[in-house]
Amino acid sequence: DTGVSQDPRHKITKRGQNVTFRCDPISEHNRLYWYRQTLGQGPEFLTYFQNEAQLEKSRLLSDRFSAERPKGSFSTLEIQRTEQGDSAMYLCASSLSGAGTEAFFGQGTRLTVV
Amino acid sequence: ILNVEQSPQSLHVQEGDSTNFTCSFPSSNFYALHWYRWETAKSPEALFVMTLNGDEKKKGRISATLNTKEGYSYLYIKGSQPEDSATYLCAFKGDYGQNFVFGPGTRLSVLP
Repeated sequence: DTGVSQDPRHKITKRGQNVTFRCDPISEHNRLYWYRQTLGQGPEFLTYFQNEAQLEKSRLLSDRFSAERPKGSFSTLEIQRTEQGDSAMYLCASSLSGAGTEAFFGQGTRLTVV
Repeated sequence: ILNVEQSPQSLHVQEGDSTNFTCSFPSSNFYALHWYRWETAKSPEALFVMTLNGDEKKKGRISATLNTKEGYSYLYIKGSQPEDSATYLCAFKGDYGQNFVFGPGTRLSVLP
């Protein structure tokens, strides 16, 4: 399978715990995006990488959130001290550079904080 | 803060009906507008990437138009089928940044 994969698909955690999600993009894609989606809303931008450089980070992203893409390939998103408001679907997408290129999405990680 | 809006929020149509929905986005600093279809339990799938004012794109029974000067795009589905049931998302990209800003989506249900 050469699509975008995310792991895990589902995560249930207790409030206050740390969680880490992984995204493996399409191998030749240099851009990688993280989005969060809550019920009834469109995906909300969290952060964006070009190769290993994190070029944009949403102001909505608190200090508890951190993302890395150490070798410009896979990426991890960590949430520290999770809160119930963090419960959402976390989506990863990758693309090539350029205006006319589409983004390819993974199936997402659904986080439930109890 | 960028505002990307979609209407209607949800839509129920009968099989065979044609339908359309709207995406509104900022009319300045336009770079690209993408349409995605998101079926339950699947990944969002790209339908169209539109970059030029006046673009019209078609894929089977689905087509889209783009007006960057007034800041809107229409998605049309001709002869809706139950398998068209999904959430349709538009995503705006401005020329000042590389992230997409998504609309809230239009949830389409096609009843057999």
